[in-house]
Amino acid sequence: GENVEQHPSTLSVQEGDSAVIKCTYSDSASNYFPWYKQELGKRPQLIIDIRSNVGEKKDQRIAVTLNKTAKHFSLHITETQPEDSAVYFCAASSKSGNYGQNFVFGPGTRLSVLP
Amino acid sequence: NAGVTQTPKFRILKIGQSMTLQCAQDMNHNYMYWYRQDPGMGLKLIYYSVGAGITDKGEVPNGYNVSRSTTEDFPLRLELAAPSQTSVYFCASKFDTEAFFGQGTRLTVV
Repeated sequence: GENVEQHPSTLSVQEGDSAVIKCTYSDSASNYFPWYKQELGKRPQLIIDIRSNVGEKKDQRIAVTLNKTAKHFSLHITETQPEDSAVYFCAASSKSGNYGQNFVFGPGTRLSVLP
Repeated sequence: NAGVTQTPKFRILKIGQSMTLQCAQDMNHNYMYWYRQDPGMGLKLIYYSVGAGITDKGEVPNGYNVSRSTTEDFPLRLELAAPSQTSVYFCASKFDTEAFFGQGTRLTVV
């Protein structure tokens, strides 16, 4: 089955700096890669996603890149702000996966943006 | 639309007790999922359903059961609660790609 690894587990940046979180996946059939943000005590919420037929996607200060050959994808946050502080989860999904198009989540990255 | 609604938000159970965590969605989504999130950890899939009347096990199903009699509802049943089931439980639903999560149920087994 699919296995998703995520690094780093914690990340501290100064406000205004960029943050990069990297994930790798194992199943070459995975074709959809979302990123979820979970603020303390809240539910995970989708912030950006990318399909396997696209190499990069941007939405204001956040972007995701995908390298299908290397089976890795990354989240990039520019001009970080204190409200970006949260836990970020990457995930991979495949229609041929074991669990009904379920997402396999990475273990998460705790991002702290220091003022 | 209310989205995905979970009840209760908090619950304390004694070892050996049973309870049902409720999950309802009003988006007519076929796919529904139950996850558990242990402190500082990611989301582990307990059970999932691809439509009414169809359920199947995820990664960590032991100690749990589910049913899906309607498209809207996907309750999770804990039988004989154990301390290892202390966790935050999230229900989620989706139609195609984006998964929508409920607000979570924080369960403590003492």
